[in-house]
Amino acid sequence: AQSVTQPDIHITVSEGASLELRCNYSYGATPYLFWYVQSPGQGLQLLLKYFSGDTLVQGIKGFEAEFKRSQSSFNLRKPSVHWSDAAEYFCAVGAAGTASKLTFGTGTRLQVTL
Amino acid sequence: GAGVSQSPSNKVTEKGKDVELRCDPISGHTALYWYRQRLGQGLEFLIYFQGNSAPDKSGLPSDRFSAERTGESVSTLTIQRTQQEDSAVYLCASSLAWDTQYFGPGTRLTVL
Repeated sequence: AQSVTQPDIHITVSEGASLELRCNYSYGATPYLFWYVQSPGQGLQLLLKYFSGDTLVQGIKGFEAEFKRSQSSFNLRKPSVHWSDAAEYFCAVGAAGTASKLTFGTGTRLQVTL
Repeated sequence: GAGVSQSPSNKVTEKGKDVELRCDPISGHTALYWYRQRLGQGLEFLIYFQGNSAPDKSGLPSDRFSAERTGESVSTLTIQRTQQEDSAVYLCASSLAWDTQYFGPGTRLTVL
């Protein structure tokens, strides 16, 4: 069965500092990987996705993520965090090449201090 | 174009009552998904529709939960005889076949 682990429940960073949110997945085949962000009272917004090809993917709002098959990881990064990035971040995995359910991690809550 | 919409945005009900939650997917999206998000937790898959295929109901937690979809349009998630543990945000998503899932704003269900 597929699974996603986000080991950090809560992270606090200062505005302007760099950010890395960890995501490890377990999946028996080629995975599709996603990062979503959920701001308070808002729905889930897609930040970026990896289907195939270049393992470093760029997303919206200056985020990027790197797929490392050997480590079963898909960590999210941002070089300089803005106060508006404070939100909950979810990593998700789905089956490649077919519409199917996503399996989500439990999320990482990001707090940004000024 | 318009995104995924859900109604109502909030629903408060008494234990034992039935509730219906509605999802309007993005026009043309063949796949539709329902997820549940309990307070402070990640999303749990409930059910998934793809075109005219039989739905994947593997995530429904009990037979009190059911969902229908008419063609490639609106879907309704029904919870019968609601229990307090059903309190959660219910999220709907739609996608073009195997592509990215786009989520609606959710329905917050509170069972008293």
